[in-house]
Amino acid sequence: DQQVKQNSPSLSVQEGRISILNCDYTNSMFDYFLWYKKYPAEGPTFLISISSIKDKNEDGRFTVFLNKSAKHLSLHIVPSQPGDSAVYFCAASVTQGGSEKLVFGKGTKLTVNP
Amino acid sequence: DGGITQSPKYLFRKEGQNVTLSCEQNLNHDAMYWYRQDPGQGLRLIYYSQIVNDFQKGDIAEGYSVSREKKESFPLTVTSAQKNPTAFYLCASSIARLAGARRNFGPGTRLTVL
Repeated sequence: DQQVKQNSPSLSVQEGRISILNCDYTNSMFDYFLWYKKYPAEGPTFLISISSIKDKNEDGRFTVFLNKSAKHLSLHIVPSQPGDSAVYFCAASVTQGGSEKLVFGKGTKLTVNP
Repeated sequence: DGGITQSPKYLFRKEGQNVTLSCEQNLNHDAMYWYRQDPGQGLRLIYYSQIVNDFQKGDIAEGYSVSREKKESFPLTVTSAQKNPTAFYLCASSIARLAGARRNFGPGTRLTVL
């Protein structure tokens, strides 16, 4: 049962345009959502996060939007740059029985074309 | 410069052999984790440790073992009982296993079983 879904395996955008990466989840108990960026043969790096009590968080070119009623979040990158080309993982955090669990989606490969 | 180191970067093993992957962190983090990534898949949790001399199974612990004798170190042993050991292994740490706590990831070890 996949609790965090990234339905688009890949996305291609032009440099300077907006990139929108989507993520859907099924567990309404998730209380934090995080985005990680991963280059090939490297470990993921943290990008941005949002608490479930908020609907938007912004950090420079990166903005994450959360729609709790739709169980959907999205990552917006504006403007997109070639260096943004990477795999982006959505992750959701839930605390159960006093223990935190982080569930990852399968990732979306973003390609930003010059 | 704080971070997580994993060695080696690439590892080859003959079928039926055990192999140990190294993970060291100098971030003074209490929690450490091992994840496995397969092509087109998200990160799946193998084992985690919240404190020295204590560790817990994750979602796919079968065929793996860990130890946490020091705060800085969390080695993973892939045993011959692991049916499909070829994968990219990622070690991570966080301040604690709390809601929304971001994971810091190492560069990963790619294990190939011949």
